[in-house]
Amino acid sequence: QSVLTQPPSVSGAPGQRVTISCIGDSSNIGAGYDVHWYQQLPGTAPKLLIYRNNNRPSGVPDRFSGSKSDTSASLAITGLQAEDEADYYCQSYDSSLSRVFGTGTKVTVL
Amino acid sequence: EMQLVESGGGLVQPGGSLRLSCAASGFTFRSYDMHWVRQATGKGLEWVSAIGTAGDTIYPDSVKGRFTISRENAKNSLYLQINSLRAGDTAVYYCVRERQMLESCIGGVCPSGGMDVWGQGTTVTVSS
Repeated sequence: QSVLTQPPSVSGAPGQRVTISCIGDSSNIGAGYDVHWYQQLPGTAPKLLIYRNNNRPSGVPDRFSGSKSDTSASLAITGLQAEDEADYYCQSYDSSLSRVFGTGTKVTVL
Repeated sequence: EMQLVESGGGLVQPGGSLRLSCAASGFTFRSYDMHWVRQATGKGLEWVSAIGTAGDTIYPDSVKGRFTISRENAKNSLYLQINSLRAGDTAVYYCVRERQMLESCIGGVCPSGGMDVWGQGTTVTVSS
């Protein structure tokens, strides 16, 4: 099964900008499949944060943005806030339409 | 309010079986693809099954042959049958809805809008 690779952790001070990468290959992101992003606050279920590469569901602050290029995708958080401290996961598809999640990134607000 | 409520988790011995259930409410259940996603303690998310509106199913190779996803639209319910349980199946199991973007369909194929509704999860522990 495909694997999407994310950095284990990123950190930043309040107000700073952080980015999380999601590295795939030609069998998943590079094949043209969309990427979605999820936020998981401690002790809670994941929540859809970005869909179809760069779209925010209603209620998600515009501090969160997504992008996709070739075989990778990125999530950016601008104006980092304490409440953004959470785990973040990317998700895409492989050639059999199996869903595949990224390895996850823990964001720490310093 | 859209809601998914899982049940059926518990402590099971290795080699045993378990059937998880998910009750959906607040939306037209039969119109959505549904999934099960699991998460071991301190680990990442792992997709383990999907079922389409027509009852078509997909599994990752890691669980194929042991996991069976099914749905009963009349009862707004999703199920996951897990057989030959092993220690590596210990995890929280989430029932998840996937949104299809009907406004963006091309040739009858509609792009996914992501997994937009998640249950609170049910815990499965496999141990002797």
